[in-house]
Amino acid sequence: SQQGEEDPQALSIQEGENATMNCSYKTSINNLQWYRQNSGRGLVHLILIRSNEREKHSGRLRVTLDTSKKSSSLLITASRAADTASYFCATDSLETSGSRLTFGEGTQLTVNP
Amino acid sequence: DAGITQSPRHKVTETGTPVTLRCHQTENHRYMYWYRQDPGHGLRLIHYSYGVKDTDKGEVSDGYSVSRSKTEDFLLTLESATSSQTSVYFCAIARPGSGNTIYFGEGSWLTVV
Repeated sequence: SQQGEEDPQALSIQEGENATMNCSYKTSINNLQWYRQNSGRGLVHLILIRSNEREKHSGRLRVTLDTSKKSSSLLITASRAADTASYFCATDSLETSGSRLTFGEGTQLTVNP
Repeated sequence: DAGITQSPRHKVTETGTPVTLRCHQTENHRYMYWYRQDPGHGLRLIHYSYGVKDTDKGEVSDGYSVSRSKTEDFLLTLESATSSQTSVYFCAIARPGSGNTIYFGEGSWLTVV
Protein backbone atom coordinates (compact mmCIF):
# COMPACT_ATOMS: atom_id res chain seq x y z
CA SER A 1 0.00 0.00 0.00
CA GLN A 2 1.11 3.55 -0.60
CA GLN A 3 2.76 5.32 2.29
CA GLY A 4 1.73 8.70 0.96
CA GLU A 5 -1.71 9.33 -0.44
CA GLU A 6 -2.51 12.61 -2.10
CA ASP A 7 -5.86 14.28 -2.14
CA PRO A 8 -7.44 15.31 -4.44
CA GLN A 9 -6.35 13.12 -7.33
CA ALA A 10 -7.06 15.96 -9.75
CA LEU A 11 -7.52 19.69 -9.27
CA SER A 12 -8.46 22.30 -11.87
CA ILE A 13 -8.28 26.01 -11.07
CA GLN A 14 -7.99 29.37 -12.77
CA GLU A 15 -4.77 31.29 -13.03
CA GLY A 16 -4.27 33.49 -9.97
CA GLU A 17 -6.13 31.18 -7.62
CA ASN A 18 -4.46 29.20 -4.85
CA ALA A 19 -4.06 25.45 -5.11
CA THR A 20 -4.00 23.19 -2.07
CA MET A 21 -3.01 19.55 -2.16
CA ASN A 22 -3.00 17.18 0.77
CA CYS A 23 -0.96 14.13 1.63
CA SER A 24 -1.57 11.50 4.29
CA TYR A 25 0.90 8.88 5.40
CA LYS A 26 0.99 5.93 7.74
CA THR A 27 4.34 5.61 9.51
CA SER A 28 6.64 7.80 11.55
CA ILE A 29 8.87 9.90 9.35
CA ASN A 30 12.20 11.71 9.28
CA ASN A 31 10.91 14.15 6.71
CA LEU A 32 8.32 14.63 4.02
CA GLN A 33 9.06 15.98 0.58
CA TRP A 34 7.05 17.33 -2.32
CA TYR A 35 7.97 16.78 -5.94
CA ARG A 36 6.61 18.06 -9.20
CA GLN A 37 6.42 16.23 -12.52
CA ASN A 38 5.72 17.87 -15.82
CA SER A 39 4.18 15.63 -18.45
CA GLY A 40 6.74 13.26 -19.94
CA ARG A 41 9.52 14.34 -17.59
CA GLY A 42 11.18 13.14 -14.43
CA LEU A 43 10.20 14.33 -10.97
CA VAL A 44 11.76 17.48 -9.60
CA HIS A 45 12.22 18.17 -5.91
CA LEU A 46 10.28 21.18 -4.61
CA ILE A 47 10.58 21.32 -0.85
CA LEU A 48 11.45 19.21 2.20
CA ILE A 49 9.94 19.58 5.65
CA ARG A 50 11.46 17.79 8.62
CA SER A 51 9.42 15.97 11.23
CA ASN A 52 10.13 18.65 13.82
CA GLU A 53 8.93 21.46 11.57
CA ARG A 54 5.32 22.55 11.20
CA GLU A 55 5.50 24.95 8.29
CA LYS A 56 7.93 25.87 5.57
CA HIS A 57 7.91 28.39 2.75
CA SER A 58 9.71 28.56 -0.56
CA GLY A 59 8.65 31.28 -2.96
CA ARG A 60 4.97 30.69 -3.75
CA LEU A 61 5.01 27.32 -2.01
CA ARG A 62 3.88 26.76 1.55
CA VAL A 63 4.07 23.33 3.13
CA THR A 64 2.59 22.32 6.44
CA LEU A 65 3.15 19.14 8.40
CA ASP A 66 1.01 17.71 11.18
CA THR A 67 2.75 14.62 12.54
CA SER A 68 -0.06 13.93 15.00
CA LYS A 69 -2.45 13.53 12.07
CA LYS A 70 0.21 12.12 9.76
CA SER A 71 -0.68 14.64 7.11
CA SER A 72 0.86 17.40 5.05
CA SER A 73 -0.43 20.04 2.69
CA LEU A 74 1.15 21.89 -0.20
CA LEU A 75 -0.22 25.32 -1.03
CA ILE A 76 0.70 27.05 -4.27
CA THR A 77 -0.31 30.69 -4.15
CA ALA A 78 -1.19 32.88 -7.14
CA SER A 79 -1.01 29.92 -9.50
CA ARG A 80 0.19 30.23 -13.07
CA ALA A 81 -0.48 28.13 -16.14
CA ALA A 82 3.13 26.95 -15.88
CA ASP A 83 2.27 25.31 -12.54
CA THR A 84 0.25 22.70 -14.43
CA ALA A 85 1.86 19.40 -13.46
CA SER A 86 1.51 16.40 -11.19
CA TYR A 87 2.56 16.86 -7.59
CA PHE A 88 3.74 14.03 -5.38
CA CYS A 89 4.49 13.75 -1.71
CA ALA A 90 7.21 11.40 -0.57
CA THR A 91 8.04 10.23 2.91
CA ASP A 92 11.38 9.31 4.41
CA SER A 93 10.15 6.79 6.94
CA LEU A 94 11.84 5.91 10.20
CA GLU A 95 10.77 2.33 9.56
CA THR A 96 12.65 1.77 6.29
CA SER A 97 16.35 1.52 5.76
CA GLY A 98 18.56 2.43 2.86
CA SER A 99 17.69 6.10 2.43
CA ARG A 100 14.51 5.24 0.54
CA LEU A 101 11.52 7.44 -0.14
CA THR A 102 7.98 6.21 -0.59
CA PHE A 103 5.84 8.16 -3.03
CA GLY A 104 2.13 8.72 -3.22
CA GLU A 105 0.06 8.54 -6.37
CA GLY A 106 0.08 12.25 -6.99
CA THR A 107 -2.31 15.11 -7.62
CA GLN A 108 -2.76 16.31 -11.18
CA LEU A 109 -3.02 20.10 -11.09
CA THR A 110 -4.36 21.98 -14.09
CA VAL A 111 -4.15 25.77 -14.05
CA ASN A 112 -6.32 27.32 -16.72
CA PRO A 113 -5.18 30.63 -18.24
CA ASP B 1 20.59 19.01 -13.52
CA ALA B 2 21.54 15.97 -11.46
CA GLY B 3 23.85 14.52 -14.09
CA ILE B 4 21.73 11.41 -14.63
CA THR B 5 21.43 9.82 -18.04
CA GLN B 6 19.09 6.95 -18.79
CA SER B 7 19.29 4.74 -21.85
CA PRO B 8 17.46 3.80 -23.87
CA ARG B 9 14.81 6.47 -23.49
CA HIS B 10 12.25 4.50 -25.46
CA LYS B 11 12.11 0.80 -26.23
CA VAL B 12 9.60 -1.66 -27.59
CA THR B 13 10.35 -5.30 -26.95
CA GLU B 14 8.65 -8.65 -27.23
CA THR B 15 7.32 -10.75 -24.38
CA GLY B 16 9.94 -13.14 -23.07
CA THR B 17 13.00 -11.22 -24.17
CA PRO B 18 15.54 -9.82 -21.70
CA VAL B 19 15.86 -6.06 -21.49
CA THR B 20 18.50 -3.95 -19.77
CA LEU B 21 18.06 -0.31 -18.87
CA ARG B 22 21.10 1.73 -18.00
CA CYS B 23 21.47 4.61 -15.59
CA HIS B 24 24.63 6.67 -15.60
CA GLN B 25 25.48 9.41 -13.12
CA THR B 26 28.33 11.87 -13.26
CA GLU B 27 28.49 12.88 -9.58
CA ASN B 28 29.66 9.61 -7.94
CA HIS B 29 26.82 9.47 -5.45
CA ARG B 30 26.51 6.36 -3.33
CA TYR B 31 22.75 5.81 -3.46
CA MET B 32 21.00 5.00 -6.71
CA TYR B 33 17.43 3.83 -7.30
CA TRP B 34 15.18 2.35 -9.93
CA TYR B 35 11.48 3.24 -9.78
CA ARG B 36 8.61 2.39 -12.07
CA GLN B 37 5.66 4.69 -12.61
CA ASP B 38 2.22 3.42 -13.57
CA PRO B 39 -1.19 5.08 -13.59
CA GLY B 40 -2.95 4.51 -10.30
CA HIS B 41 0.21 3.36 -8.54
CA GLY B 42 2.44 6.39 -8.47
CA LEU B 43 6.12 5.59 -8.22
CA ARG B 44 7.18 2.26 -6.79
CA LEU B 45 10.70 1.30 -5.86
CA ILE B 46 12.09 -1.71 -7.74
CA HIS B 47 15.68 -1.96 -6.47
CA TYR B 48 18.21 0.35 -4.98
CA SER B 49 21.95 0.41 -4.43
CA TYR B 50 24.04 1.85 -1.64
CA GLY B 51 27.40 1.23 -3.23
CA VAL B 52 29.31 -0.83 -5.74
CA LYS B 53 27.96 -4.37 -5.65
CA ASP B 54 25.64 -3.43 -2.77
CA THR B 55 22.02 -3.66 -3.82
CA ASP B 56 18.70 -4.43 -2.21
CA LYS B 57 15.11 -5.07 -3.21
CA GLY B 58 12.34 -2.54 -3.21
CA GLU B 59 8.62 -3.19 -3.07
CA VAL B 60 8.17 -4.49 -6.65
CA SER B 61 11.39 -6.40 -7.36
CA ASP B 62 9.95 -9.64 -8.79
CA GLY B 63 11.04 -10.12 -12.39
CA TYR B 64 13.85 -7.57 -12.11
CA SER B 65 17.52 -7.76 -11.28
CA VAL B 66 20.14 -5.04 -10.92
CA SER B 67 23.86 -4.70 -11.03
CA ARG B 68 26.29 -2.02 -10.00
CA SER B 69 29.87 -2.80 -10.93
CA LYS B 70 30.91 0.87 -11.03
CA THR B 71 29.79 3.79 -8.91
CA GLU B 72 28.48 5.67 -11.91
CA ASP B 73 26.38 2.91 -13.51
CA PHE B 74 23.29 1.14 -12.23
CA LEU B 75 21.72 -1.40 -14.57
CA LEU B 76 18.18 -2.72 -14.38
CA THR B 77 17.46 -6.01 -16.16
CA LEU B 78 14.10 -7.50 -16.94
CA GLU B 79 15.02 -11.12 -17.14
CA SER B 80 12.06 -12.15 -19.31
CA ALA B 81 9.88 -9.18 -20.14
CA THR B 82 6.13 -9.44 -19.61
CA SER B 83 3.32 -7.11 -20.62
CA SER B 84 2.86 -6.12 -16.96
CA GLN B 85 6.32 -4.59 -17.08
CA THR B 86 5.22 -2.04 -19.65
CA SER B 87 5.90 1.12 -17.72
CA VAL B 88 8.00 4.22 -17.37
CA TYR B 89 11.21 3.54 -15.48
CA PHE B 90 13.01 6.25 -13.57
CA CYS B 91 16.51 6.14 -12.23
CA ALA B 92 17.34 8.41 -9.31
CA ILE B 93 20.21 9.35 -7.05
CA ALA B 94 20.30 10.73 -3.53
CA ARG B 95 22.75 13.48 -2.71
CA PRO B 96 24.35 13.19 0.73
CA GLY B 97 23.36 15.75 3.32
CA SER B 98 20.16 16.59 1.51
CA GLY B 99 17.77 14.74 3.80
CA ASN B 100 17.38 11.97 1.25
CA THR B 101 16.27 14.36 -1.44
CA ILE B 102 16.12 12.35 -4.64
CA TYR B 103 17.05 13.57 -8.10
CA PHE B 104 15.52 11.82 -11.05
CA GLY B 105 16.55 11.03 -14.57
CA GLU B 106 14.25 11.74 -17.47
CA GLY B 107 12.78 8.25 -17.65
CA SER B 108 12.80 5.24 -19.95
CA TRP B 109 9.56 4.32 -21.66
CA LEU B 110 9.32 0.55 -22.08
CA THR B 111 6.58 -1.21 -24.01
CA VAL B 112 6.38 -5.00 -23.93
CA VAL B 113 4.25 -6.41 -26.73
